[in-house]
Amino acid sequence: DAKTTQPPSMDCAEGRAANLPCNHSTISGNEYVYWYRQIHSQGPQYIIHGLKNNETNEMASLIITEDRKSSTLILPHATLRDTAVYYCIVRVGSMNTGFQKLVFGTGTRLLVSP
Amino acid sequence: NAGVMQNPRHLVRRRGQEARLRCSPMKGHSHVYWYRQLPEEGLKFMVYLQKENIIDESGMPKERFSAEFPKEGPSILRIQQVVRGDSAAYFCASSPSWIQETQYFGPGTRLLVL
Repeated sequence: DAKTTQPPSMDCAEGRAANLPCNHSTISGNEYVYWYRQIHSQGPQYIIHGLKNNETNEMASLIITEDRKSSTLILPHATLRDTAVYYCIVRVGSMNTGFQKLVFGTGTRLLVSP
Repeated sequence: NAGVMQNPRHLVRRRGQEARLRCSPMKGHSHVYWYRQLPEEGLKFMVYLQKENIIDESGMPKERFSAEFPKEGPSILRIQQVVRGDSAAYFCASSPSWIQETQYFGPGTRLLVL
């Protein structure tokens, strides 16, 4: 089961900032928050990840609350091509191998309109 | 700088036939992950492999499914005696290592079982 909760859908006007929230209240101290998006059934595209500090790259910014129980992905100037399903993921560790797999929930369907 | 490559992109099989899905990881990546996405659902982890080793197969169905990542060549996901319920998109991801390393996804193979 996914360890995150996201709204099922959001709308955003083109050119405006899109702020996508995610709750991960059971996150452990060493678990990272990852964001991926999937555009129309293509392969998931990596966006950004973080542990406890805010992160920024050429695609987006990630704001993680001080208690790490929630985070927000910010697309500063949304375009029509940002219409996609956005997945917030907490990597889940394996007791046997230490391997941490990605557990995808249902994500947030972001619709960017002209 | 080629990304993760998967082929075929589309595969049609009749019930009872075998399906072979291939994945070539990104250059420099020696860790491969397979995920399955059923229609209108999120991705589900299936198996994690390193060269010549299966590390975690906790998401693989117990029967008919197998995966390998030989020393030379692509990773192969094999589905024997396919059934209609196997119809899905199968995605492969790769990473340089598993320790907090980002997984990059391929475009997927869409399997349709008639």
